[in-house]
Amino acid sequence: DIQMTQSPSSLSASVGDRVTITCRASQTISSYLNWYQQQPGKAPKLLIYAASSLQSGVPSRFSGSGSGTDFTLTISSLQPEDFATYYCQQSYSTLGAFGGGTKVEI
Amino acid sequence: QLQLQESGPGLVKPSETLSLTCTVSGGSISSSSYYWGWIRQPPGKGLEWIGSIYYSGSTSYIPSLKSRVTISVDTSKNQFSLKLSSVTAADTAVYYCARWNYDSSGYYLFFDHWGQGTLVTVSS
Repeated sequence: DIQMTQSPSSLSASVGDRVTITCRASQTISSYLNWYQQQPGKAPKLLIYAASSLQSGVPSRFSGSGSGTDFTLTISSLQPEDFATYYCQQSYSTLGAFGGGTKVEI
Repeated sequence: QLQLQESGPGLVKPSETLSLTCTVSGGSISSSSYYWGWIRQPPGKGLEWIGSIYYSGSTSYIPSLKSRVTISVDTSKNQFSLKLSSVTAADTAVYYCARWNYDSSGYYLFFDHWGQGTLVTVSS
């Protein structure tokens, strides 16, 4: 099984900050990596797929990078609506494991 | 606009079988472009991918649940279902159904449409 590890598990930031979240796969997954945002009490929302492709309608302050085993989600200038939990997910195999999540707090 | 809606009992007794259905509206579950998946989230914890199904009936399950999980599809009703047997309190979670879609290249899969989720509590 492919295991996904995110870091940090939580972080504190302010509006306007640049925020970086990392995700590591237990084996190479090429660019088969998705990022989701989850607000409390809501279903997750797709932000990035194929490691760096921005989903339609997602603000350009979100970006993704990486390939192989190491990936990064960057929020260039944190907005109030960005305080949420972020998950990575591999799609290299049809067993689509998620990372443990990173909670972005004020 | 594609919509997914989970339905089923909100309370299940230990050792019994959890049964949920996801009804898809605004699109066909029989499209060859998509898989359909179940994901769960225990209270206060992260997301766990449970399994997925193709319209043809081909399935994939997370190994840790494989012996207890069955996902099936009913194309006539535009629904797919989850059954989880021998449940314990550890199976208490919000259960989501979602569409597992390919990008335009046909290589990359992602969950692009989700149901609102339904809380299932395992308790006597």
